[in-house]
Amino acid sequence: IAGITQAPTSQILAAGRRMTLRCTQDMRHNAMYWYRQDLGLGLRLIHYSNTAGTTGKGEVPDGYSVSRANTDDFPLTLASAVPSQTSVYFCASSVGTSGTTRTDTQYFGPGTRLTVL
Amino acid sequence: AQTVTQSQPEMSVQEAETVTLSCTYDTSESNYYLFWYKQPPSRQMILVIRQEAYKQQNATENRFSVNFQKAAKSFSLKISDSQLGDTAMYFCAFMKYRGGNTPLVFGKGTRLSVIA
Repeated sequence: IAGITQAPTSQILAAGRRMTLRCTQDMRHNAMYWYRQDLGLGLRLIHYSNTAGTTGKGEVPDGYSVSRANTDDFPLTLASAVPSQTSVYFCASSVGTSGTTRTDTQYFGPGTRLTVL
Repeated sequence: AQTVTQSQPEMSVQEAETVTLSCTYDTSESNYYLFWYKQPPSRQMILVIRQEAYKQQNATENRFSVNFQKAAKSFSLKISDSQLGDTAMYFCAFMKYRGGNTPLVFGKGTRLSVIA
């Protein structure tokens, strides 16, 4: 079981280009999240999805979009990258609500380091 | 909105000594969870310990324990018998309690260096 995988591991991108960061989990978790990590700012939520077919905006959603076509995948797209989107991006997942059981622990992928020039 | 504050950007501790990392938070919620995550140089986010707000007993995981003061909205992490492998960024995080999962709100982190 791999847990959560992210691709690519790192990427250098020219400003204005479109980029999709991939995230896949094999734990059948209901909820998935995208965070960005910037020096001195900790991790901030970009978008989230509580279940397949639904998404929501986080603290810093501008310039990003997500989709959740199935349980396992949660790609993050930068339609037209800008230098301020240079960051490390983390995908995370959690079981969410399963029957009468509610769990809360989030598991993180290894991250993608993105540099926009 | 919830906020999480870690007032110590950097700390250092001698190997085998004890160190305490501070975290305070602000919320109007009565039910919530609190977490400490560790991020070593490998960049991986690793859950260290979690605390349910409705539990008065402080959580403990081996050498890691918390001092949870709900009224003061304080959630400090104590690391006993510090080891070189404890060198990492430590993030305090808050999660509201809801019927489904809710996202984490993170502090800005404390960089801990364990010195031999």
